[in-house]
Amino acid sequence: ETGVTQTPRHLVMGMTNKKSLKCEQHLGHNAMYWYKQSAKKPLELMFVYSLEERVENNSVPSRFSPECPNSSHLFLHLHTLQPEDSALYLCASSQDTSGWGTDTQYFGPGTRLTVL
Amino acid sequence: ILNVEQSPQSLHVQEGDSTNFTCSFPSSNFYALHWYRWETAKSPEALFVMTLNGDEKKKGRISATLNTKEGYSYLYIKGSQPEDSATYLCARGTGNQFYFGTGTSLTVIP
Repeated sequence: ETGVTQTPRHLVMGMTNKKSLKCEQHLGHNAMYWYKQSAKKPLELMFVYSLEERVENNSVPSRFSPECPNSSHLFLHLHTLQPEDSALYLCASSQDTSGWGTDTQYFGPGTRLTVL
Repeated sequence: ILNVEQSPQSLHVQEGDSTNFTCSFPSSNFYALHWYRWETAKSPEALFVMTLNGDEKKKGRISATLNTKEGYSYLYIKGSQPEDSATYLCARGTGNQFYFGTGTSLTVIP
């Protein structure tokens, strides 16, 4: 496997379910990101991890809970979601969070989430 | 909020045509501008990262320019091919965050 992988690619869940999205990067990067893309909206940053520590949390509801056990893996735990949370969830990684916005982020293919 | 605007929203061109689209962003406290190419059901693919005013980058038939003083970047595709059909995203990089535009969806008609 190369690059950034995400599983599952598609997920349908009820509002009372608990599920997790998984992301794995094979690039030796130190930073990982979760993004959300809703229909007709830009990619929206949710969480940033650098060296397994969360460095950014952009006012995301607590029903989304990230976990970064090591620099290669990132999870997004989901519980009691709402239908408006249906979206494409993308993971990305970069060499570092340089603080200058210059590091290229490498993306996975995303998980298409539908909340019923 | 650092709004990044892209235009047009969508574009249809004939195979062989050259085309270009625009990314506009706030010019203050600029650090970097990124372009991505995103095909349906695939991962967004990095095309260019641009940092200096007047920067020009080229990759095959695709090129980009940057004007940080007025806050815009152009992406050009010369001799469009059907495989160029994708959504092209730009993102303003600042701190450890990217602020994305909504993209330009390009369809190249054979």
